[in-house]
Amino acid sequence: NAGVMQNPRHLVRRRGQEARLRCSPMKGHSHVYWYRQLPEEGLKFMVYLQKENIIDESGMPKERFSAEFPKEGPSILRIQQVVRGDSAAYFCASNSYSNQPQHFGDGTRLSIL
Amino acid sequence: AQKITQTQPGMFVQEKEAVTLDCTYDTSDPSYGLFWYKQPSSGEMIFLIYQGSYDQQNATEGRYSLNFQKARKSANLVISASQLGDSAMYFCAMREGQGGSEKLVFGKGTKLTVNP
Repeated sequence: NAGVMQNPRHLVRRRGQEARLRCSPMKGHSHVYWYRQLPEEGLKFMVYLQKENIIDESGMPKERFSAEFPKEGPSILRIQQVVRGDSAAYFCASNSYSNQPQHFGDGTRLSIL
Repeated sequence: AQKITQTQPGMFVQEKEAVTLDCTYDTSDPSYGLFWYKQPSSGEMIFLIYQGSYDQQNATEGRYSLNFQKARKSANLVISASQLGDSAMYFCAMREGQGGSEKLVFGKGTKLTVNP
């Protein structure tokens, strides 16, 4: 049973470009969560989605960031007009029921030049 | 106030010995869950152990056990018989059961080094 798959593993963008991060949850999981980890910090919650619905986006910056989890295909975290401060590791997690442990992908390391 | 506090930025332990990593939490919700994750230098997040607020017994998973003291609001991770491969960052996290929010709140982590 494949785990949570994130790609790319590393992503380099120049300031002002767009970054798209993908996450395929574990088979059978319909809940997806995105977290951001700055260097030397713990993970910070960004957004919680179920298929085609955003359930909780209280951790998402108000501008430039968006997330979706379409009926078909992976969840996408999109960052428009990236800035240096967006450099971080972005983790996706999934579970089948909301009270189950969240299983994490290996993360995407985003670097902004 | 921080929801999850890990007071040990770094810990050292000799191989084959036991080590306790501290975690205290703050919540007014009677229903919550506590988690520990391991993050090796390669960067992935590995789920280790879970304790529910209503669980009567402390959780155990192999060499990992959770010393859950509800009145003190602590959920310390105990690793027995440490191995070199246990060297990593360890994060304590909490999920509160309010209003359908399932987000995890993480502490800042403890870096564990196992010495040969």
